[in-house]
Amino acid sequence: KNQVEQSPQSLIILEGKNCTLQCNYTVSPFSNLRWYKQDTGRGPVSLTIMTFSENTKSNGRYTATLDADTKQSSLHITASQLSDSASYICVVSEGGSYIPTFGRGTSLIVHP
Amino acid sequence: NAGVTQTPKFQVLKTGQSMTLQCAQDMNHNSMYWYRQDPGMGLRLIYYSASEGTTDKGEVPNGYNVSRLNKREFSLRLESAAPSQTSVYFCASSASGSNQPQHFGDGTRLSIL
Repeated sequence: KNQVEQSPQSLIILEGKNCTLQCNYTVSPFSNLRWYKQDTGRGPVSLTIMTFSENTKSNGRYTATLDADTKQSSLHITASQLSDSASYICVVSEGGSYIPTFGRGTSLIVHP
Repeated sequence: NAGVTQTPKFQVLKTGQSMTLQCAQDMNHNSMYWYRQDPGMGLRLIYYSASEGTTDKGEVPNGYNVSRLNKREFSLRLESAAPSQTSVYFCASSASGSNQPQHFGDGTRLSIL
């Protein structure tokens, strides 16, 4: 069964600090990997999408990396802001399937 | 600049009642999706529609039906609600193609007593 595991489950950092969130997956064959940000009480918002041939993609202060050989991805947040407090969800899609596999998310809290 | 609009935002039902969750998008997207999000679990796909007139079952379709009324609207129906269907339901849409971002609504919070 396809699985997406995210770590840590939760993280607390001070405003202005950097942090890195991890995503490991077993989905095969691989199609793409997405990172979403979900604010409390809102729907997820797309941050990045990476295919097999891409190993890094940035969106402002968010940078995602992908190692398709080890089936690992990370999301690095630079110079965190209070508005970065949210759940960050990793989603992996299997080639030939329209059913994505979602991770449970990492809950990030940024304190002033 | 509405994007994906879901109604209602909150609903409480009694076991056995029926209801329809509405979803509309204004981005001219072909693909639309219904997900449920439960505490401690990742989102799970209930149904998917690649285009107007087509629907496909997702990971957890039992107890649900869908209608792709037109390109804009994709509704989810619970015919006989059960407590296990208490969840937050999200509708999403995307352009055609596997590498397109999905745009989500803000969800319907459904409690079944």
